[in-house]
Amino acid sequence: SAVISQKPSRDICQRGTSLTIQCQVDSQVTMMFWYRQQPGQSLTLIATANQGSEATYESGFVIDKFPISRPNLTFSTLTVSNMSPEDSSIYLCSARRGTGGRETQYFGPGTRLLVL
Amino acid sequence: GESVGLHLPTLSVQEGDNSIINCAYSNSASDYFIWYKQESGKGPQFIIDIRSNMDKRQGQRVTVLLNKTVKHLSLQIAATQPGDSAVYFCAEGGTSYGKLTFGQGTILTVHP
Repeated sequence: SAVISQKPSRDICQRGTSLTIQCQVDSQVTMMFWYRQQPGQSLTLIATANQGSEATYESGFVIDKFPISRPNLTFSTLTVSNMSPEDSSIYLCSARRGTGGRETQYFGPGTRLLVL
Repeated sequence: GESVGLHLPTLSVQEGDNSIINCAYSNSASDYFIWYKQESGKGPQFIIDIRSNMDKRQGQRVTVLLNKTVKHLSLQIAATQPGDSAVYFCAEGGTSYGKLTFGQGTILTVHP
């Protein structure tokens, strides 16, 4: 399995500010993803973090609101920009490891964000 | 769009019983399925996966069954323990395109 850490683990922010979440994987992985999970709900994919190129965003998510970086094969950041209370959620980093049909996907512990 | 859903949002069992959590998926092109366990305050934990070229796979106390004909996935937990209490999510995807679509989740509660 992959060990994935996220920082910060939780934060309380004021509306209009931005927060950058860091994700570190213990070894190189093929793909990294960012998900959002509203309290009591399932996971929704925000974007795929591509190494060395712009992230691929899902419908309803845009780069201006959720800029993502992935400078190497073990690290990624997600920024939640110009936050509003609706951005209060759990943000989860995920990494996919393996090749040739033997891949599987693991998750970090999440970052719990409350926007006031 | 594609979706993955669960038949039972909550499941309560007695310790020692076997548990079965069900999941329906709609994308017939999906060829990779995963079950995750999420405990309160934690990220999803990988339990077991199965590829579409299989219909059954067993792990430690868990078995995943895949019925591609009716697009149905199930997770069986043998001798359920209080530590198994959590939310269980199924997810579907493709080994070629990477991203997963998650189901709504089932809350499993195990009573001692």
